[in-house]
Amino acid sequence: NAGVTQTPKFRILKIGQSMTLQCTQDMNHNYMYWYRQDPGMGLKLIYYSVGAGITDKGEVPNGYNVSRSTTEDFPLRLELAAPSQTSVYFCASTWGSGRTDTQYFGPGTRLTVL
Amino acid sequence: AQSVTQLDSQVPVFEEAPVELRCNYSSSVSVYLFWYVQYPNQGLQLLLKYLSGSTLVESINGFEAEFNKSQTSFHLRKPSVHISDTAEYFCAVSRQGGSEKLVFGKGTKLTVNP
Repeated sequence: NAGVTQTPKFRILKIGQSMTLQCTQDMNHNYMYWYRQDPGMGLKLIYYSVGAGITDKGEVPNGYNVSRSTTEDFPLRLELAAPSQTSVYFCASTWGSGRTDTQYFGPGTRLTVL
Repeated sequence: AQSVTQLDSQVPVFEEAPVELRCNYSSSVSVYLFWYVQYPNQGLQLLLKYLSGSTLVESINGFEAEFNKSQTSFHLRKPSVHISDTAEYFCAVSRQGGSEKLVFGKGTKLTVNP
């Protein structure tokens, strides 16, 4: 199993540009999450999904959108990039459904908005 | 809502010395507790977790943490650290019966010096 994969690894955007961060898991997990990590701030939840077709906001959803059309994929969309979105983005997945199992994290995408 | 406080942002220690990384949480409902570790330029990996039962939980690489409900703490300890333990450590909580969303502390950077 590849686990959780994220693309791209690095990206530089100009203010106002758009992009999609890709996340795929091959563990047949129901629950998937997007976090952002800023230095000294820990990780903050952006959006999450408990199954295909179901998404919900986390703590810091403004400026982002998600979709979950399949169990495997959970892309994160930035529509109008702003410098405040410079961060490292992590996707994670877990079985869910009350199992309280480990969340498995991808390697991250480092995004810089200039 | 839940919150997590990691009392030390950086902890430098010498190799083979003991270490304690402190974590306190706040919640009005029952929670599950986790420690995740992040090695440089990598995603997060689960170190250990407390769900129920014995309040002392152990990892395979010698770390342990004790859940103290009265003090709302979940401190991480290791009796003798190695250079390879150098990493950032995150304490996290999730609400029992929720969507297994994790709320993270800001992290503690452990540096083990020779």
